[in-house]
Amino acid sequence: DQQVKQNSPSLSVQEGRISILNCDYTNSMFDYFLWYKKYPAEGPTFLISISSIKDKNEDGRFTVFLNKSAKHLSLHIVPSQPGDSAVYFCAASEGDQGGSEKLVFGKGTKLTVNP
Amino acid sequence: EPEVTQTPSHQVTQMGQEVILRCVPISNHLYFYWYRQILGQKVEFLVSFYNNEISEKSEIFDDQFSVERPDGSNFTLKIRSTKLEDSAMYFCASSLSPNSPLHFGNGTRLTVT
Repeated sequence: DQQVKQNSPSLSVQEGRISILNCDYTNSMFDYFLWYKKYPAEGPTFLISISSIKDKNEDGRFTVFLNKSAKHLSLHIVPSQPGDSAVYFCAASEGDQGGSEKLVFGKGTKLTVNP
Repeated sequence: EPEVTQTPSHQVTQMGQEVILRCVPISNHLYFYWYRQILGQKVEFLVSFYNNEISEKSEIFDDQFSVERPDGSNFTLKIRSTKLEDSAMYFCASSLSPNSPLHFGNGTRLTVT
């Protein structure tokens, strides 16, 4: 039951370039989407979120794009830095106002940013 | 920055034993959660807790699992009789409201032998 899919298990980019991480979902009831970053031996750390009423949300180097018709979202990191190397999880939830209760996670994409 | 803290970081137990995983959520948060990640698999929702009661639980959270907020700061997950397949990383999380992002602890790695 893969309601949230991250089809690329890994991604490697050069420092300073753009990293694009992709996520697809199947549940049309999802209305709130989040990206988390995870370093080894640590818990997931919240990065950025977007509700279904928007198609873009930006926070510094991080931008999340949502295409509801395609049930697709992406995370752009510009410029990428070596410290961004981590596993990135896409997560989604459904609720009246985009509540984050019961997050459904993707399997994650391991990003490596090479100096 | 306030953190969610979890203890112990690693717990080894024998099959059939009871374990209690402990968490201290961020102090002004009102919503508490447990998630788990079996090695190589997705992070999965177990249970959410608000106002001293379970607000939602997954099918994984069967009668062997229970949660408690015994005092104003701790939030615990108890597994009554552990099975081999309970081996996983267990993450506690908290949030200020249902509409705010979850903050996760660093997890407890549970190994059932």
